[in-house]
Amino acid sequence: AQKITQTQPGMFVQEKEAVTLDCTYDTSDQSYGLFWYKQPSSGEMIFLIYQGSYDEQNATEGRYSLNFQKARKSANLVISASQLGDSAMYFCAMREGGTSYDKVIFGPGTSLSVIP
Amino acid sequence: AAGVIQSPRHLIKEKRETATLKCYPISRHDTVYWYQQGPGQDPQFLISFYEKMQSDKGSIPDRFSAQQFSDYHSELNMSSLELGDSALYFCASSPRGTARGYGYTFGSGTRLTVV
Repeated sequence: AQKITQTQPGMFVQEKEAVTLDCTYDTSDQSYGLFWYKQPSSGEMIFLIYQGSYDEQNATEGRYSLNFQKARKSANLVISASQLGDSAMYFCAMREGGTSYDKVIFGPGTSLSVIP
Repeated sequence: AAGVIQSPRHLIKEKRETATLKCYPISRHDTVYWYQQGPGQDPQFLISFYEKMQSDKGSIPDRFSAQQFSDYHSELNMSSLELGDSALYFCASSPRGTARGYGYTFGSGTRLTVV
C-alpha cells in the first residue's frame, strides 16, 4: 500500500506567488520523520526541509515551510515568493522506525512549473 | 564539506553486460542506501548497509548485488543488464544516531543507459 500520497501530479504557479504542495502519509509509528526533496531536470535530489513527528513547531527553511498536521497525517510544503528556478519535481518522503539505518521512502512526486 | 560522491555520473552499457556503481558516503556516515529511479518515477529503495552489514532490502533484482567496504564506501553490481535497468541510481548516506533527523544526504546519482 502506498504510504505517501501526493495528489497533485502537476502544479502551476505565477512567479512571486506562494504555492502549496500536498502530502499525506500513513504510518503506525509514533516516531517518524518527514522530508521534502526537490529534483530539477538535472536529476540531483536536493533536500529542502525536515519535520520530526515530535516537533511542536512547523519547520521553516527560508522560503520553504512545512504545514504539519499530525492528526490528519498531512505534511504540506509551502513555497513562498516562487521563483523560476523553483520549477522542478518535488517529492515528499518519510522515514519510519527507531534505528539509525531506517530508509526514506518517497511519494510519487509533484511537478511544479513556475510561470513568468 | 564534501557530499556523497557517486561514480560514474553516466554509464552506457549493452544488454547482458555488467555494471558497477560506486558510492562514497560523507565522512563518518556509516549507513548507505541505494535507490533506483526510472523515468518519470519516484526513487525506489533497493538495499541498505549499516556498519558493512546489509540492514534492509527492497525491490532489488537477484541480478543485482551490493556491499559496503571497510572504508564505508559501497558498490552496486548489476549483471545481465536489461533495457529496463536504464534508470538514475542514487546513493544516500546517513550518520550513526540520526534515527529520523537530518543527515540523510543523496549523491548526484549515476545515470545508467542500457542499449
